[in-house]
Order: sequence, then structure tokens, then C-alpha cells
Amino acid sequence: GAVVSQHPSWVICKSGTSVKIECRSLDFQATTMFWYRQFPKQSLMLMATSNEGSKATYEQGVEKDKFLINHASLTLSTLTVTSAHPEDSSFYICSAGEGRGAYEQYFGPGTRLTVT
Amino acid sequence: GENVEQHPSTLSVQEGDSAVIKCTYSDSASNYFPWYKQELGKRPQLIIDIRSNVGEKKDQRIAVTLNKTAKHFSLHITETQPEDSAVYFCAAFSSGSARQLTFGSGTQLTVLP
Repeated sequence: GAVVSQHPSWVICKSGTSVKIECRSLDFQATTMFWYRQFPKQSLMLMATSNEGSKATYEQGVEKDKFLINHASLTLSTLTVTSAHPEDSSFYICSAGEGRGAYEQYFGPGTRLTVT
Repeated sequence: GENVEQHPSTLSVQEGDSAVIKCTYSDSASNYFPWYKQELGKRPQLIIDIRSNVGEKKDQRIAVTLNKTAKHFSLHITETQPEDSAVYFCAAFSSGSARQLTFGSGTQLTVLP
């Protein structure tokens, strides 16, 4: 149980275009989902916390107009990278927890974004 | 907010030896401390975790200790094997207003055969 999927697993896009990444909890309802970005040989950095039915909470330094997050249902959150630039190339990983009081996070397999 | 520091950044051990990775945290409201193993290009995998009401937890070759007073926790891997080679991350979950995981900077563990 507690499986989180992400789609696509990798994507290449041109500068200036937008890319949407989906994160789904397959066998549980996720009130909260988290979006992380991981650059090569670095740690996971939290970008935003996505709450079902409400606006996402962004970490300091993350542009909310550039990284659009939508959490329309208890099993799906999407991250849209708008007007992508080469410096947005990174590994994007989502995670989800079961219920508001849950500690354990279940991670998606990640999406490798390359912006050319 | 929470700040998690992790040491060392790289660690090489001979197969069969033990490996220890240490982390410190700053937020006294943190009460859950997971450890993840991440292989290149893959998702982090939870290998062990500990809650703040426990001082030590063991699962076969892996153990974690927590010193709440000193705000530090450690991962111990005994009888290391080449397949243990990966990047290991500690993390702290704050039960305060933020309610999120903060990760350490990672340790590249290499087990030499």
C-alpha cells in the first residue's frame, strides 16, 4: 500500500514553454502533498506544500506564479512549470502523507525535467 | 524554521565494517526523524525512522539513535555490503506550524568490496 506515482518520469522541453507534472496517490487519500526539487548531488529542497481544496503554501524563494500547484482532489496534485528556463532543469519529486496528522511521507518516483 | 545538518558528506568503508552518519536539528518541535536511502535517479526510500518518544530503534543491520536533549540523531549500519552504497539523507518532521520534512544535505556512502 501507500503508493505514489508521478507522470511523466522524464520530459524535455524548450525554453519558454510550460510543463505539467502529475502526482497521484494510488491507494490512499492524500490531504497534503509536497513538491521537492533536487539538483544533482544536492538534497531535496521543499518547494511547496499542496493542500487539497486550498492554495498551496510556497517556501521562501519559490515563485508561485512560475510554479503553479493545483490539488483538486485527494489523489491528485499537479505542478506546472511555466515559461521554463534551463535553470529549471532538475529532478522534481512529490510526496504524500495519509491524513493531516501523518508523519510518514511516501515519495513519487520523480520527474527529470530538462529545459533546452 | 527547522535546520538539519548532516555529517559526513562522504563516507567510504570496507565491506563488513560499520558506517555511522550523524545529524543535528534545531527545532525542538520536531518529533519524527526518518532516514532515507536514495540511489541515483530514484526516489528516496525510507529505511528506518524514529519518533521523539523513543531513544533507539533497530531493524536488522540498521539502527537509529536519538538524543532529544542534544537534538541529534544517528544512523548506524553494521556489516556493510556493497549494495548499501548510496546517498543517505536524514530528515526531521516538525509538528509545529510548518508540519513538513526538512532534509539533511546527504551522505554518499561507498562500501568497498
